[in-house]
Amino acid sequence: EDQVTQSPEALRLQEGESSSLNCSYTVSGLRGLFWYRQDPGKGPEFLFTLYSAGEEKEKERLKATLTKKESFLHITAPKPEDSATYLCALNQAGTALIFGKGTTLSVSS
Amino acid sequence: DTEVTQTPKHLVMGMTNKKSLKCEQHMGHRAMYWYKQKAKKPPELMFVYSYEKLSINESVPSRFSPECPNSSLLNLHLHALQPEDSALYLCASSQALAGYYEQYFGPGTRLTVT
Repeated sequence: EDQVTQSPEALRLQEGESSSLNCSYTVSGLRGLFWYRQDPGKGPEFLFTLYSAGEEKEKERLKATLTKKESFLHITAPKPEDSATYLCALNQAGTALIFGKGTTLSVSS
Repeated sequence: DTEVTQTPKHLVMGMTNKKSLKCEQHMGHRAMYWYKQKAKKPPELMFVYSYEKLSINESVPSRFSPECPNSSLLNLHLHALQPEDSALYLCASSQALAGYYEQYFGPGTRLTVT
């Protein structure tokens, strides 16, 4: 059974304190691993797609990486506006996204 | 432009009411989705349309009725809902149904059933 597990559930950082979020997955044939950001009461915002182990993508202070079992979302020198819930998801057999439960990031100044 | 729009933003309805949620995209995407999201939970799939045909119905109660009038529009008709149906309803679209394509989400409709 395809599964996605995110850790930690919650993460509190000081502004400028870099860290990483983890997404562990099991899937029979990875088609794509997706990262989303979701602000309270809003729809998820697409960040990255990773297709194969070793792939990396960057956007501003965020960098996503992929291995055969895990993906990491590295946040470098975060700012308060980076506070949100970050969701990792797999696409199950070309249909629904299977989401992890998310990591809620809080960055204080 | 990667915008998916949803109306209304907020909806309060009684258990005997009939209402509809609307979703629109102009990205030329051929797959469209309805998700339901409860507080502090990830989105859960309800329906998938591919090329305007219902592809997946995740055992959703019949009080929820989807409709895809054309390739840009997706509706969700609501009737005789229960208070536990209160949630954020999200529409999404992707280029096609294949698993390689990212899904773009709308801002959601916050539904409250009284």
